Amino acid sequence: DADVTQTPRNRITKTGKRIMLECSQTKGHDRMYWYRQDPGLGLRLIYYSFDVKDINKGEISDGYSVSRQAQAKFSLSLESAIPNQTALYFCATSAGQGASQPQHFGDGTRLSIL
Amino acid sequence: AQSVTQLDSQVPVFEEAPVELRCNYSSSVSVYLFWYVQYPNQGLQLLLKYLSGSTLVKGINGFEAEFNKSQTSFHLRKPSVHISDTAEYFCAVSDQSFQKLVFGTGTRLLVSP
Repeated sequence: DADVTQTPRNRITKTGKRIMLECSQTKGHDRMYWYRQDPGLGLRLIYYSFDVKDINKGEISDGYSVSRQAQAKFSLSLESAIPNQTALYFCATSAGQGASQPQHFGDGTRLSIL
Repeated sequence: AQSVTQLDSQVPVFEEAPVELRCNYSSSVSVYLFWYVQYPNQGLQLLLKYLSGSTLVKGINGFEAEFNKSQTSFHLRKPSVHISDTAEYFCAVSDQSFQKLVFGTGTRLLVSP
C-alpha cells in the first residue's frame, strides 16, 4: 500500500461545484502539504500544516480551503470550482524534525473543471 | 524568500550519453537543496539532497549533484543515462529554519535509443 494516498485519482466536474480532494498517510509524519502542478510552472504550495492544530496559507491559497482532520488526514476543498483550477494536485508529508527532511508525495489527483 | 531557476525546460539526449540538468537558486539565507524526479503518472520522488558538508552529493539511480555556493548552483549530472531515466526533474530549495520547499519549473529529460 502507498504511504501517501490521494483520492480520487481523477475528477471531472463543472464550474461552481464544491470539490474535496483527500489525502491520507501511513508514515506517521506531522507535516502535510498541498501543491498544484501546472505545465511550465512547476509545483506551487497551496496550504500546509505542521500538526493537527496548525494550518497555514501557501503561495496560492485563494479559492481553496483545507481541513486537518487527524494527523494522518489532510483534505483540500475548492468551494466553487473555476476552470483555471484545472491542474494536477499533490499531497505531501514530511517528518517534523526540521527543514532537512525530504517530502514524500502521493501519486496526485488530476482535476478538470469544465 | 527563495527562488529556483531551471533554465532548460527540455533536454533530449541519447542513451548512454552523459547529461547535466541545470539549477540555480536565489536566497539571502543558508539553504537546503533537493532534486526530485517525477515519472509519468506518479508523484515526485527524492533523488538527492544537499544539507551541508561535501559539495558533491550522490543520489539514487547513479545521479549526483554539485553544490556551488559562489555560483548559487546545484546542477544534476549522470555520466550515462538509460531510457528509464526519461522523466521530469525538479530542483527545490528550502531555507534551513522552515520547511517550505520552493520548486523550479522542471526539466523534462528525454532519453532516446
